[in-house]
Amino acid sequence: EVVMTQSPATLSVSPGERAALSCRASQSVGYNLAWYQQKPGQAPRLLIYGASTRATGIPARFTGSGSGTEFTLTISSLQSEDFAVYFCQQYNIWPCSFGQGTKLDSK
Amino acid sequence: QVQLQESGPGLVKPSETLSLTCSVSGASVRNQHWSWIRRPAGKGLEWIGRISGSADYNPSLRSRVTMSVDTSRNEISLRLTSMTAADTAVYFCARNHGSGWHFDLWGRGTLVTVSS
Repeated sequence: EVVMTQSPATLSVSPGERAALSCRASQSVGYNLAWYQQKPGQAPRLLIYGASTRATGIPARFTGSGSGTEFTLTISSLQSEDFAVYFCQQYNIWPCSFGQGTKLDSK
Repeated sequence: QVQLQESGPGLVKPSETLSLTCSVSGASVRNQHWSWIRRPAGKGLEWIGRISGSADYNPSLRSRVTMSVDTSRNEISLRLTSMTAADTAVYFCARNHGSGWHFDLWGRGTLVTVSS
């Protein structure tokens, strides 16, 4: 199974600033990487798939980049509603696997 | 608006069988792929299995898992046998994006605790 490692575990950023979340795969997953956002008590929401394609309705401040084993989710100009847990998922190698998540909280 | 709602017992005894249901509203369960995913306490998410016409299961759980689709009720079901404390987790149902392996719609999840 491909091991997905996210860093940092917790990231504290001030509203209006930029956040960069990292996801690393134990072997190449090409561009088959998705990012999700989850808020307490809510269903996870798909943000990015194909490493860089925003899902329907996702604001342009969310940007996914990377390929192979190194991926980044960048959120420019953080809004209050962006503070949540983010996790990545590879779906290049079956079975798909997820990272442990990064909690983004307000500084 | 498509919504998924998981339901089932919050508490299961060790060695018992877990049965969960995912009710789908706003869309038909036909001709789409649906997955169950779980998050054990303190751990990352784990994909359990996917079903459309046929089912695929995570090899780590394959011997204990059965998934099914009830088109008359518009529901997806999960059955996990021989439950242990390691199966304590929040269980999610999710819709696969097309025939792919990422997930474009999730339920809120339901907590299942295994304890005597």
